[in-house]
Amino acid sequence: GEQVEQLPSILRVQEGSSASINCTYENSASNYFPWYKQEPGENPKLIIDIRSNMERKQTQGLIVLLDKKAKRFSLHITDTQPGDSAMYFCAASAAGTQVVGQLTFGRGTRLQVYA
Amino acid sequence: GALVYQYPRRTICKSGTSMRMECQAVGFQATSVAWYRQSPQKTFELIALSTVNSAIKYEQNFTQEKFPISHPNLSFSSMTVLNAYLEDRGLYLCGASRDRGQAPLFGEGTRLSVL
Repeated sequence: GEQVEQLPSILRVQEGSSASINCTYENSASNYFPWYKQEPGENPKLIIDIRSNMERKQTQGLIVLLDKKAKRFSLHITDTQPGDSAMYFCAASAAGTQVVGQLTFGRGTRLQVYA
Repeated sequence: GALVYQYPRRTICKSGTSMRMECQAVGFQATSVAWYRQSPQKTFELIALSTVNSAIKYEQNFTQEKFPISHPNLSFSSMTVLNAYLEDRGLYLCGASRDRGQAPLFGEGTRLSVL
């Protein structure tokens, strides 16, 4: 199977600054990497994703980078706001499968944005 | 829009009893349905993946005997936690995917407490 490591586990940043979360994976066959945001008491929501045919993707203040050689992908939140405070989970598609629904998740990063 | 409903949102059961949870895809046909568990202070573990025209595939540490799943059509799935004990506590998420190339859409989850 796949193993996904996610760091840091806790991240505190000042409002307006940027926040970065890094994940690594083991299996070079993984080809899909979504990021989920989970607020307290709620289900995780997909915020951005990247496929292995891309190295960078950006949308609404979020940037994801993928380094296939290093088996590393990262999420960068620019101009953080208090509403960005939540748990963030990275995930990777299970090796050898074409079914995206089968994901391996990182352990999560608790992002706290303070004024 | 596309939504995934899960029922019930919260449930409490006595140790050794069983509990059934349901997942409904609304606005789209779910080619695959994945059940995950988020235990307290942990990340999401894939329990099993159910794909149209394929057998339900359980992950290591999860069995059909403990977590029987029914996926009778493209919009509904249910899972039962048999003989629930403390280690079965957590948030059970249903992730439904429209097609093989799409990230799963998660329901709100069923939070299971065991007394």
